[in-house]
Amino acid sequence: GQQLNQSPQSMFIQEGEDVSMNCTSSSIFNTWLWYKQDPGEGPVLLIALYKAGELTSNGRLTAQFGITRKDSFLNISASIPSDVGIYFCAGQRSGGSNYKLTFGKGTLLTVNP
Amino acid sequence: EAGVAQSPRYKIIEKRQSVAFWCNPISGHATLYWYQQILGQGPKLLIQFQNNGVVDDSQLPKDRFSAERLKGVDSTLKIQPAKLEDSAVYLCASSLSQGNNEQFFGPGTRLTVL
Repeated sequence: GQQLNQSPQSMFIQEGEDVSMNCTSSSIFNTWLWYKQDPGEGPVLLIALYKAGELTSNGRLTAQFGITRKDSFLNISASIPSDVGIYFCAGQRSGGSNYKLTFGKGTLLTVNP
Repeated sequence: EAGVAQSPRYKIIEKRQSVAFWCNPISGHATLYWYQQILGQGPKLLIQFQNNGVVDDSQLPKDRFSAERLKGVDSTLKIQPAKLEDSAVYLCASSLSQGNNEQFFGPGTRLTVL
């Protein structure tokens, strides 16, 4: 099946630092999504990207849809302890009756106060 | 607005036993998804329903897994018989329609097969 390569696998940073993570695919997606998952909870949608080249912000989070449609990145500025969690990228190919999401393996973020 | 409800939150069974999970999506959401999330991995779609019809079950191991959404609202996912490799978190999600990208996830059921 389709593979999404998400990196880095984990990050350990100091509070206040900026964070960047990315996702690449061997095939094209029409939509890129970024989710955050806290322990014992389901993923929560952070940002959705619908056009190649699109740059979207949500508070301290900024994400971009790559021009090739095969990649996306997420930046978190001025990290705080509550940013701790696992961040997942997900790609979606639209069309027909199937809008299935394909998820990356996640980036585990730890923020040291 | 109430979120996606799932039960039980945790389940421990022995291999070859049967287990069932229940999901109640957000009211009015036509599309319901079941995902399997193995430790250290992202969620993997098992089955997608649009109302009470199956849209995609291509990754559902149909020899042991089954799911239904008879009245187009809540859904059950069953495993019979369970294997050790079925140990995972089973997440239910719903969206307004299948073209709507915002899927809302429930808290999941953590299954341990001994």
